[in-house]
Amino acid sequence: GAVVSQHPSWVICKSGTSVKIECRSLDFQATTMFWYRQFPKQSLMLMATSNEGSKATYEQGVEKDKFLINHASLTLSTLTVTSAHPEDSSFYICSARMKRAGELFFGEGSRLTVL
Amino acid sequence: GENVEQHPSTLSVQEGDSAVIKCTYSDSASNYFPWYKQELGKRPQLIIDIRSNVGEKKDQRIAVTLNKTAKHFSLHITETQPEDSAVYFCAVTNDYKLSFGAGTTVTVRA
Repeated sequence: GAVVSQHPSWVICKSGTSVKIECRSLDFQATTMFWYRQFPKQSLMLMATSNEGSKATYEQGVEKDKFLINHASLTLSTLTVTSAHPEDSSFYICSARMKRAGELFFGEGSRLTVL
Repeated sequence: GENVEQHPSTLSVQEGDSAVIKCTYSDSASNYFPWYKQELGKRPQLIIDIRSNVGEKKDQRIAVTLNKTAKHFSLHITETQPEDSAVYFCAVTNDYKLSFGAGTTVTVRA
């Protein structure tokens, strides 16, 4: 199957700092990328959908100014958690697909811990 | 948005027995139904999927059934093994975004 790489796999930062997470599709061009957040023992909650070259579409309740998403190319999307706080600590997972209604391929996930 | 309900939340089975997880959804336009297995701290792995024009699909010990009229689909794992222990998520999409069920923690007792 297709490969989606996410970096970093884990990050610890101080409260108030910003953290950037990268999601790359390594062997295909991703028309759409999705960002999920997963708290311990909970399901994956969709945060936003990004399409290359356009603004991300955020789910209800997700602050777009806090979670900045950039999808500058067909192989790279980034999520920046700005002014991170301890409640932002979570497992962030990206996913990508090649075409509409295609299989979704997940990155390895990034565990963010905000002190 | 799509409402996906998954039951049970936890499931403990004896090795060799079968495990069944059920999901219901609300959007009749949904047409793709994947199942994912997630081990602790790792990414979800697609284990089987089914499209709306098919009623049943099987891959070795894993099968999925879909009832579009009733808007529910189920995951069946036969001859369970300890390595089947994980969290399983159902998901639903209508060609756009994927909505996940709450997950089922499956424990296979040796």
